[in-house]
Parts: sequence; C-alpha cells; structure tokens
Amino acid sequence: AQTVTQSQPEMSVQEAETVTLSCTYDTSENNYYLFWYKQPPSRQMILVIRQEAYKQQNATENRFSVNFQKAAKSFSLKISDSQLGDTAMYFCARRSVNTGKLIFGQGTTLQVKP
Amino acid sequence: ETGVTQTPRHLVMGMTNKKSLKCEQHLGHNAMYWYKQSAKKPLELMFVYSLEERVENNSVPSRFSPECPNSSHLFLHLHTLQPEDSALYLCASSQGMNTGELFFGEGSRLTVL
Repeated sequence: AQTVTQSQPEMSVQEAETVTLSCTYDTSENNYYLFWYKQPPSRQMILVIRQEAYKQQNATENRFSVNFQKAAKSFSLKISDSQLGDTAMYFCARRSVNTGKLIFGQGTTLQVKP
Repeated sequence: ETGVTQTPRHLVMGMTNKKSLKCEQHLGHNAMYWYKQSAKKPLELMFVYSLEERVENNSVPSRFSPECPNSSHLFLHLHTLQPEDSALYLCASSQGMNTGELFFGEGSRLTVL
C-alpha cells in the first residue's frame, strides 16, 4: 500500500524554539512530490512547503525547512523560531506523478506555548 | 475573495434529508477534488474531476453524488446519510492532475443526526 505515516500525533514546543515533525512514506515510484500542509484550528489548510523527489537539495521557506532522505523515504519538517501562529495540525502528503493521487498522513497536532 | 470557497460552512441534516455542498474556485484550475476529514483519520479522497470529467471515485457510497458543471464549480449532493458520515468535507483544486499542490477551501462541517 502507498502510505504516509506521521508517528507523532501531538507535539508541543516553546515559543522561539525549534521543533521537528516526522514523516515517512512508502512508494515504489522514483518521481513524486512531497508536501507539508498546515491546518490551523477551524481554518483553511494551506501549503507550507513542497519538495520534488528528483531534487536532492532540501526545500526551505523562511522558518520552515525539510530534511528529505529519499533512500530512507523520510521527509521531516523543521520549524525554527516557533511562533504562536504556528499552532496547527500539520499534514505530510505525497503526490504520485503517475496517478496524481495525493495521499495524506494522519497529521501531527503542534501546540506552540508562550 | 479566497481562492477556493465552500458553502455552507456548517450543515446539520437528518438522515432523510437531501442537501448539497458547493465549492467554487477562482484560481483558473482544471482539476477539483472532494476529501473527507474525520477525527483521527487521514484525509480520504472521495472524488476527482479533471476538465469536468470524473476521473476518480474512491469507493464512495452512492448516497454521495458529485457534480461538476464547469471547471470552476463542484457540488456534493447528499441524501439518506448516516451519522458516521458526519465529518469535515474539504474541496480542493489544482492546475493539472499530476504535479503541484492542491489548494483547499475552508471546508463544510457536516453533522448528520
């Protein structure tokens, strides 16, 4: 089965500190896209960061960066200088280039504490 | 105007009612999706439309009936639902079917009594 696994249902971090959310996936494909989405409480799901599997360089968007380990099928998200507005549920997702299917993990609820 | 708009935001219906969820995207995308989000479960893909044609029907019960009259609008018609259908229903759109990210609406929170 083509699955995405987030092993941390809940995490918390102090404001201004760094936190890493884990994600692993299963696929037999060589080319695909990986995403981290953020869903704040009662608000819209928005894209945080994306990574093309054929690119070795890890993607970075301001305070958000990923550690993409293709051989290990691992795609973790690092949030630096955490802010209260980062409190949300975070979803890891993989999109197949062949089928277009976007498969989500179970989500990690992140609480940033003041 | 947000990119993907869903109405209503909240809906309560009885098991014998018929209602519809509406989604509209203003991004010029050509693919639209319905996802179901239940507590403590991964998002479940329900339907995919590309260029107004249904390309995916992920074993969804027939009490859910999608409709895509044009590339900007997507509906989910609901009838004789069950309490376990209570969930957040998310609409999304994308440019193309195979690459790139999906853009999501805020969702319609459905409660079936």
